[in-house]
Amino acid sequence: DAGVIQSPRHEVTEMGQEVTLRCKPISGHDYLFWYRQTMMRGLELLIYFNNNVPIDDSGMPEDRFSAKMPNASFSTLKIQPSEPRDSAVYFCASRGRSEAFFGQGTRLTVV
Amino acid sequence: AQRVTQPEKLLSVFKGAPVELKCNYSYSGSPELFWYVQYSRQRLQLLLRHISRESIKGFTADLNKGETSFHLKKPFAQEEDSAMYYCALISSNTGKLIFGQGTTLQVKP
Repeated sequence: DAGVIQSPRHEVTEMGQEVTLRCKPISGHDYLFWYRQTMMRGLELLIYFNNNVPIDDSGMPEDRFSAKMPNASFSTLKIQPSEPRDSAVYFCASRGRSEAFFGQGTRLTVV
Repeated sequence: AQRVTQPEKLLSVFKGAPVELKCNYSYSGSPELFWYVQYSRQRLQLLLRHISRESIKGFTADLNKGETSFHLKKPFAQEEDSAMYYCALISSNTGKLIFGQGTTLQVKP
């Protein structure tokens, strides 16, 4: 297995544009997590899914953020409209019975 | 409430010195605890899990239920240990993966 795959690796966009981040979890894992990492706030859990169902989205900062998991092998995190304060590294992670495995992250810059 | 606390944001030591990265947790029940490491601009990687009681790269961590702690230790720090370290807990009833704030370890030559 290639591990958790995220795309794109880097994204630079203008304020107000829609941004979509993608994640392919490890096959067979039934939990998927989206985290945001910044210098100021560290690693924040945004939302997580179990068997494709959102369980806890209390970490999603605003209505501008939305996440979906249409099937077991794909998830998206969308920001619409994007703002400069959304600039961060966004990580996706998946887990099965025990520890979680992380993707390489998407470095988002909103100018 | 389920919580993981890493009280030190930065720990700076000299090469060869002992290292202890502190982690305390708040959880009712039997927690499943982990240490993750993140080298500069890379993904988080699993370093240790408490159930396997292993030593990875010279690091060990012991679960102390009485003190609700899971401190990470290494007797002799190496420069290549410089990284961000995160303590994490999995909630057995929700499956949620909760991280501490992270501690940056800086090993000076």
